[in-house]
Amino acid sequence: QQQVKQSPQSLIVQKGGIPIINCAYENTAFDYFPWYQQFPGKGPALLIAIRPDVSEKKEGRFTISFNKSAKQFSLHIMDSQPGDSATYFCAAGGSQGNLIFGKGTKLSVKP
Amino acid sequence: NAGVTQTPKFRVLKTGQSMTLLCAQDMNHEYMYWYRQDPGMGLRLIHYSVGEGTTAKGEVPDGYNVSRLKKQNFLLGLESAAPSQTSVYFCASSYSTALYNEQFFGPGTRLTVL
Repeated sequence: QQQVKQSPQSLIVQKGGIPIINCAYENTAFDYFPWYQQFPGKGPALLIAIRPDVSEKKEGRFTISFNKSAKQFSLHIMDSQPGDSATYFCAAGGSQGNLIFGKGTKLSVKP
Repeated sequence: NAGVTQTPKFRVLKTGQSMTLLCAQDMNHEYMYWYRQDPGMGLRLIHYSVGEGTTAKGEVPDGYNVSRLKKQNFLLGLESAAPSQTSVYFCASSYSTALYNEQFFGPGTRLTVL
């Protein structure tokens, strides 16, 4: 019940494309769903996060879509750029605060 | 502000050796965490601390010990290193676990156990 399943493991898109990364969770007590971005040799950094009281959140070119009934959420990157090439982790957490991370998606955006 | 810093950046150990990884944060955060990152496994929580003098086990605590003697520091110890502990270790901190607080990560320590 504590797992967060993330797919795909890797993704290659052309510049300007819209990569989509999907995550699914099982624990209905989760109420915080962040996405972290990690560049090679660096620690992860918070990109965007959503709570289950909204179905979508946009910050710049990044959008989270949230489906509470399906227990799924996804990250969309609009007009992707080579600089977006990184590993993306979804996560889920509850009031306890400890996050459960997905296994990551390595995104490559080709020029 | 330096944020979250980790020492050392790289380390090679032989099986059975011991070492301590140091994490420091200058953001006055209450909560601190140690994660390990392995290829295809994501980030897994080893131990965490909700305040000075307190520690708790995470998902993969075996073979590790931690201490939080000062609010700004969180130490991760390996008493007898094993090759299975070869990994990249990340420390993180957050102001609080309540109300969806962001975790700030350090740059990582790459540990190889031969």
